[in-house]
Amino acid sequence: NAGVMQNPRHLVRRRGQEARLRCSPMKGHSHVYWYRQLPEEGLKFMVYLQKENIIDESGMPKERFSAEFPKEGPSILRIQQVVRGDSAAYFCASSPPSVGAAYGYTFGSGTRLTVV
Amino acid sequence: GQQVMQIPQYQHVQEGEDFTTYCNSSTTLSNIQWYKQRPGGHPVFLIQLVKSGEVKKQKRLTFQFGEAKKNSSLHITATQTTDVGTYFCAGSRNTNAGKSTFGDGTTLTVKP
Repeated sequence: NAGVMQNPRHLVRRRGQEARLRCSPMKGHSHVYWYRQLPEEGLKFMVYLQKENIIDESGMPKERFSAEFPKEGPSILRIQQVVRGDSAAYFCASSPPSVGAAYGYTFGSGTRLTVV
Repeated sequence: GQQVMQIPQYQHVQEGEDFTTYCNSSTTLSNIQWYKQRPGGHPVFLIQLVKSGEVKKQKRLTFQFGEAKKNSSLHITATQTTDVGTYFCAGSRNTNAGKSTFGDGTTLTVKP
């Protein structure tokens, strides 16, 4: 049973380019979360999605960032016109659907984005 | 918004010594989770606490959830070099699936 798959593992982009990060949740998991981690810092919530729905995007910057989780295919985190400050590790996590109980997240290996 | 604070930020111990990290939330939580992240790795889920005053053990690790469900601790007895990494707590106000707010973590180094 494959875990949460993220690709690419490493991504280098020049300032002004677009970065596209992909995440396939664990089989049976319908909830996807994106977190950003700066070096030596904690995980900052960005967005929470279910299939075809954005449930909570309160942590997402208003400009340049967008996320989707289509009916078919992986969840995509898209960063347009990247700047140096976007350099970070971006982790995707998934959890099963639940009613009355929350479950721990299963994290992917992350995408390390470097903007040069 | 909800804030989760962890102390200490760093802890250096000699192998065999004990280690404790503390987590405090600005709001009452529905549940709290603990994760471990090795250097260069990704967070790995350790445990979830749900009940007020709950205590759970995993071998040398002991997890506690405060009576008011606003604080938690992770205690490691007799640390080993394999315990190195950053330990994060994550709190949620949701009973069902939903976002969790992570603390900034405690980074543990163990000197052999």
